[in-house]
Amino acid sequence: GQSLEQPSEVTAVEGAIVQINCTYQTSGFYGLSWYQQHDGGAPTFLSYNALDGLEETGRFSSFLSRSDSYGYLLLQELQMKDSASYFCAVSGSSGNTGKLIFGQGTTLQVKP
Amino acid sequence: EPEVTQTPSHQVTQMGQEVILRCVPISNHLYFYWYRQILGQKVEFLVSFYNNEISEKSEIFDDQFSVERPDGSNFTLKIRSTKLEDSAMYFCASSERDRNQPQHFGDGTRLSIL
Repeated sequence: GQSLEQPSEVTAVEGAIVQINCTYQTSGFYGLSWYQQHDGGAPTFLSYNALDGLEETGRFSSFLSRSDSYGYLLLQELQMKDSASYFCAVSGSSGNTGKLIFGQGTTLQVKP
Repeated sequence: EPEVTQTPSHQVTQMGQEVILRCVPISNHLYFYWYRQILGQKVEFLVSFYNNEISEKSEIFDDQFSVERPDGSNFTLKIRSTKLEDSAMYFCASSERDRNQPQHFGDGTRLSIL
């Protein structure tokens, strides 16, 4: 089967750093993406890793280890507006059709 | 910034009826997708569409579902003989030239089947 595992909930305080992990098991793999979703609204693209290593985009960074089938999203200098659900998603699970397989999502709560 | 637009934002339909959900992808995008999200659950892939044909469909996307790009701008999802379990948020997404480019999602249509 194909599955992605990520923690269901994470809580952190404003200004802190938080890491959301994602492990995946899929039949094929092109890359790992991260999406943010506020209150059931449109998922918004945050980051994409196709190769091993760290990708940095402002306060957000994402890491991938293909050999470990593992990635994480790192959020720095947390702000209240970062409270949202974060989904990891694998592309290339069944060929190059663009299909994304999403994890269950991690609800991040940022406290003052 | 260009965006994916979806209409209606909320659709309430009686069980057994047909619904059409509409999407206008970003104009220079070539790859189109439909996903659904049942309340409180993860986003699930339904279908991908490129060059006027389905590239891939999930097990959810059975004969009850169909997609169409009737003109150069719209991308529709039709659900026939709706069932209670079809109640969900339906998201349209599009991506640019490469299938592995980021997918841009619309705000979704909340479908409620009574």
